Amino acid sequence: GQNIDQPTEMTATEGAIVQINCTYQTSGFNGLFWYQQHAGEAPTFLSYNVLDGLEEKGRFSSFLSRSKGYSYLLLKELQMKDSASYLCAVTNAGKSTFGDGTTLTVKP
Amino acid sequence: GAGVSQSPSNKVTEKGKDVELRCDPISGHTALYWYRQRLGQGLEFLIYFQGNSAPDKSGLPSDRFSAERTGESVSTLTIQRTQQEDSAVYLCASSLEGRFSNQPQHFGDGTRLSIL
Repeated sequence: GQNIDQPTEMTATEGAIVQINCTYQTSGFNGLFWYQQHAGEAPTFLSYNVLDGLEEKGRFSSFLSRSKGYSYLLLKELQMKDSASYLCAVTNAGKSTFGDGTTLTVKP
Repeated sequence: GAGVSQSPSNKVTEKGKDVELRCDPISGHTALYWYRQRLGQGLEFLIYFQGNSAPDKSGLPSDRFSAERTGESVSTLTIQRTQQEDSAVYLCASSLEGRFSNQPQHFGDGTRLSIL
């Protein structure tokens, strides 16, 4: 079976750093994606991890530990526009299983 | 270039009616996915097409749901005898290649389906 857990909600302050965790127990693993979804809009790709370690892309970084079934998305220098839902997705043989998403609210 | 296009953007219908949702993937994308997203929830996998291979239908919730794809182009998701619990946003996504790939999925804006 597939099980992906993320916190439901998080709140952070503009300019700060926030870490959104994702843990998974899946029957197979090819890689892990993070997507951003603003309210009422489609998800958009943020990052992809296939090997253990940190992938950095500007203000966003994503970390993976396959042995622990754990990933996190790190958002630096938070901006108001970062208020959105962040979805963790594990892929196996082409199929992606998504977590329920973490709704991040950035406050001034 | 054009992104993933879905139609209609909104659909309101009466319980018991059939509905057909359409997805035009990005040209050249061999993989196509359908998801359902209920309000405040994550994406629920429905079906996955990869090139000419047999589709992975393991996520379809009942035999009222079916989907087709012609080659590597348009796909239609059909829901027969709709029920109120079918109300959700139906998202389509495509990617360059699905299996064992690091290609991200590109999503359409979805069809918001409301069953009265």
